[in-house]
Amino acid sequence: NAGVMQNPRHLVRRRGQEARLRCSPMKGHSHVYWYRQLPEEGLKFMVYLQKENIIDESGMPKERFSAEFPKEGPSILRIQQVVRGDSAAYFCASSPTADSNQPQHFGDGTRLSIL
Amino acid sequence: AQRVTQPEKLLSVFKGAPVELKCNYSYSGSPELFWYVQYSRQRLQLLLRHISRESIKGFTADLNKGETSFHLKKPFAQEEDSAMYYCALRRGSQGNLIFGKGTKLSVKP
Repeated sequence: NAGVMQNPRHLVRRRGQEARLRCSPMKGHSHVYWYRQLPEEGLKFMVYLQKENIIDESGMPKERFSAEFPKEGPSILRIQQVVRGDSAAYFCASSPTADSNQPQHFGDGTRLSIL
Repeated sequence: AQRVTQPEKLLSVFKGAPVELKCNYSYSGSPELFWYVQYSRQRLQLLLRHISRESIKGFTADLNKGETSFHLKKPFAQEEDSAMYYCALRRGSQGNLIFGKGTKLSVKP
């Protein structure tokens, strides 16, 4: 089991462009969580998805950010019209269920840099 | 509001010394507490959680509801323990985790 796979590892975009971050959960995991880590900060929750459903998006900025987890394929975090403040590390985690006994497994993250 | 506080940004100890990484939380319900560790150039991984009451790599953590703390302890630090340590809280049945800012542990020879 390769674990949670995120790509790309590093992404550079210019202001105004779009950024797409991908996350493939561990095999058998149908719950995906996205977190953002700004420099010198802890990870901040953004959104929680199950297959084809957004369960909790309370941590998502209201504009420019969206997430999906289609029936087939990876989960995508999409940032439109990026700004310098979007520069951060974006981590994805997955778990097999929402059961509190199931820990979240993290990917290596995507480092997004905005020029 | 739910919050996790790790007061120390950096903790430096010598090999063989005891180490305690502090974690305090703010949550009115019954939280689940975790410690995650990130070694250099590796991904974040679960170290231990309070419901398991286990010892991993010599580390233990006890949930103290009276003091709302979940400090991570190890009696004799090793150089390979050097890493970033994050305390995290999960609210009851909610899925997402609330993280502290992390403490960088440096164990010197």
